[in-house]
Amino acid sequence: DAGVIQSPRHEVTEMGQEVTLRCKPISGHDYLFWYRQTMMRGLELLIYFNNNVPIDDSGMPEDRFSAKMPNASFSTLKIQPSEPRDSAVYFCASSLLGRQETQYFGPGTRLLVL
Amino acid sequence: KNEVEQSPQNLTAQEGEFITINCSYSVGISALHWLQQHPGGGIVSLFMLSSGKKKHGRLIATINIQEKHSSLHITASHPRDSAVYICAAHNTDKLIFGTGTRLQVFP
Repeated sequence: DAGVIQSPRHEVTEMGQEVTLRCKPISGHDYLFWYRQTMMRGLELLIYFNNNVPIDDSGMPEDRFSAKMPNASFSTLKIQPSEPRDSAVYFCASSLLGRQETQYFGPGTRLLVL
Repeated sequence: KNEVEQSPQNLTAQEGEFITINCSYSVGISALHWLQQHPGGGIVSLFMLSSGKKKHGRLIATINIQEKHSSLHITASHPRDSAVYICAAHNTDKLIFGTGTRLQVFP
């Protein structure tokens, strides 16, 4: 298996622009997680899905952030409009059977908002 | 006070040394993860523990539920072990991360 795939790997954009991050989980995994990592706050869980349904989005910082999972093999995290404080590395991870099982992380998307 | 705390924040060692990284948590948990993040940024899940001890190669993770404490040990450390090690606690619906321990192993 190719592992968790994220795109793009790097994104540089200007404040106010819309940013869409993409994730393809490992085939057969029924849980998908979006995390954000910054120097100040470390790793934070933003949202997670089970069988394509959002279960807990309490980590999403504000209404500018939205996430979807239209099918079992694809998820997006959208920021609209983006702000400089959104600059971070965004990781997607997937697991089989739940959050208490081993999670497999994607390589991350490094986002810089100017 | 953070709900999940790690110590030390930074650690340097000579190749071959035995290394211990500690994680203490103040919340009830159902499981605890140890993650490894390499200088390139990639994250790998090393262990998921709910009790006792797990071993994988030169890595050993232990957890004491009563003391709310977990340790990650590396035996015969090697420069390729240089990374940031992060513990993460499963607390009901939340994953709570420690701030990480940056380990550098010199030849």
